[in-house]
Amino acid sequence: GAGVSQSPSNKVTEKGKDVELRCDPISGHTALYWYRQSLGQGLEFLIYFQGNSAPDKSGLPSDRFSAERTGGSVSTLTIQRTQQEDSAVYLCASSLNPSGRQYFGPGTRLTVT
Amino acid sequence: GNSVTQMEGPVTLSEEAFLTINCTYTATGYPSLFWYVQYPGEGLQLLLKATKADDKGSNKGFEATYRKETTSFHLEKGSVQVSDSAVYFCALSPRTNAGGTSYGKLTFGQGTILTVHP
Repeated sequence: GAGVSQSPSNKVTEKGKDVELRCDPISGHTALYWYRQSLGQGLEFLIYFQGNSAPDKSGLPSDRFSAERTGGSVSTLTIQRTQQEDSAVYLCASSLNPSGRQYFGPGTRLTVT
Repeated sequence: GNSVTQMEGPVTLSEEAFLTINCTYTATGYPSLFWYVQYPGEGLQLLLKATKADDKGSNKGFEATYRKETTSFHLEKGSVQVSDSAVYFCALSPRTNAGGTSYGKLTFGQGTILTVHP
């Protein structure tokens, strides 16, 4: 069956621009997570959604980062006024329930020039 | 807070060699422990897990035992293959005490690059 998909797969943007990253979780999965994989910080948690609510936003690095989830499905991670340190691979994962196995998408590689 | 410390890499082995990648953790409560693998050009995928002390997770010839007394979850394989070349991540997910609710917020180690030569 279809796995977690993310778009775009690659995004190059200029410093100061806004970007939106999209995640389509596995159908029926209620929990959705965003992580970031960067050379300096490794793999780090950003935000967790249960349904359309985000009970844990503790990993968002600054107020330039925001995320939403609609219809209990698609999620969008928005980075405003991008900085070079935002360059990373952004990973999305979903699970059937909050404590279930997480399935990861292929990631979006963001490069800020 | 929670943290995971992994053996520094990269690790380079010959085919059929024995593999150990060390992983230790710091956490409150009773975390679940995981090994994830990222093959070249592919997404992150679960390799194995253990949810309580003394549990052994195993998959594809890899094993790891949850050792609460040493707060460790070392990954082992008796005979590696070229196809095992990948990046391996140790991770934990905290759990609340029984009766509470929990979710799968993962804390990862820094990753270990494994290269296996023929």
